[in-house]
Amino acid sequence: SSELTQDPAVSVALGQTVRITCQGDSLRSYYASWYQQKPGQAPALVIYGKNNRPSGIPDRFSGSSSGNTASLTITGAQAEDEADYYCNSRDSSGNHVVFGGGTKLTVL
Amino acid sequence: EVQLVETGGGLIQPGGSLRLSCAASGFTVSSNYMSWVRQAPGKGLEWVSVIYSGGSTYYADSVKGRFTISRDNSKNTLYLQMNSLRAEDTAVYYCASTSLGGSFYYFDYWGQGTLVTVSS
Repeated sequence: SSELTQDPAVSVALGQTVRITCQGDSLRSYYASWYQQKPGQAPALVIYGKNNRPSGIPDRFSGSSSGNTASLTITGAQAEDEADYYCNSRDSSGNHVVFGGGTKLTVL
Repeated sequence: EVQLVETGGGLIQPGGSLRLSCAASGFTVSSNYMSWVRQAPGKGLEWVSVIYSGGSTYYADSVKGRFTISRDNSKNTLYLQMNSLRAEDTAVYYCASTSLGGSFYYFDYWGQGTLVTVSS
């Protein structure tokens, strides 16, 4: 099965823009989805498909992809965006799922 | 409103068995794809298993042959039967409704999770 690689930690100044990346061979064929997880809570979907946000997710969250890399961009990061972020996609077999190791976002 | 509520976690000895349940409201389990995802303490997310609306099932290599995913349509409930449990199965187990297609695979609604601890 394929793997997805994320930077373990990223920081951003309040109000600035941050990009969180996810790399893997499966991303050449499949879209990544992105999840936000705050301490003690279940993950929550923030981006899916090409660049879609579930209802209730602020439009400062956006997704993009190029080659084997998917990105989650937060434009104008807020204090409440401080969380762990995970990407996932289908793996190369198509029937299994792979997650990235997660990125801890700190808002300074 | 979609709600998923997991139950059945607890402390179990290595080699033991446990069945997790995920009661759904606000949508029909049998008409949707449903998954289990787990998270070991302080670690990342790991996909465990999926059941398709048509009944097909798939498992992560780490649990294949030990875990069984199923559903009870009359109770609108998803299950995960876990046998031959190991210490490395210790995790919070989440059930999640799943959307998948040719180019995507994502988990749109999640339960609050139930903790399984495998220890003697």
